[in-house]
Amino acid sequence: DVKVTQSSRYLVKRTGEKVFLECVQDMDHENMFWYRQDPGLGLRLIYFSYDVKMKEKGDIPEGYSVSREKKERFSLILESASTNQTSMYLCASRDSGSSYEQYFGPGTRLTVT
Amino acid sequence: EDKVVQSPLSLVVHEGDTVTLNCSYEVTNFRSLLWYKQEKKAPTFLFMLTSSGIEKKSGRLSSILDKKELFSILNITATQTGDSAIYLCAVTSTDSWGKLQFGAGTQVVVTP
Repeated sequence: DVKVTQSSRYLVKRTGEKVFLECVQDMDHENMFWYRQDPGLGLRLIYFSYDVKMKEKGDIPEGYSVSREKKERFSLILESASTNQTSMYLCASRDSGSSYEQYFGPGTRLTVT
Repeated sequence: EDKVVQSPLSLVVHEGDTVTLNCSYEVTNFRSLLWYKQEKKAPTFLFMLTSSGIEKKSGRLSSILDKKELFSILNITATQTGDSAIYLCAVTSTDSWGKLQFGAGTQVVVTP
């Protein structure tokens, strides 16, 4: 079974803080993704990585950065958290073969006050 | 711009009813459409559809894709309270590194 874990289920941070969200997958997948999920908007792609040290912007990268130093770990960084970044953050991974199925972590509900 | 639209956004049904969820899309170089179920945790994969007219089935759930009219439906028959969830539709294209573009989701509530 593929397992994708995220470092926290719930997180509360103050405006202006630097926030790190960690994601680890145990299936040697090449591709990893960070989404945020907001009511009525579905999942929106923030960043993705197709290999170690490789990253690409998704649809809403502003205010975020990412790091992928090891294949199994993909970190999302909020350089200076703002209240409009309060959201559910979901990490996913995928093997780079022909199946497009992505495996999701349980999510981190981030509240920025 | 690529677009995925799900309808309805939410619905409430009684146990035993049949539910039909819709997903329409506009995407350049379409490759596949995927359905996920999300309860209060990680979305879990249901189906991936690539070819038109071929029904995928798993228990009481089934789905079909129409590549001419650019839509898919997800059917749930004999609904149970455990079917209460958000159902997500996503599409991917041939040139996207496997990125998924999601719709807003349909919230399904099944009442006893």
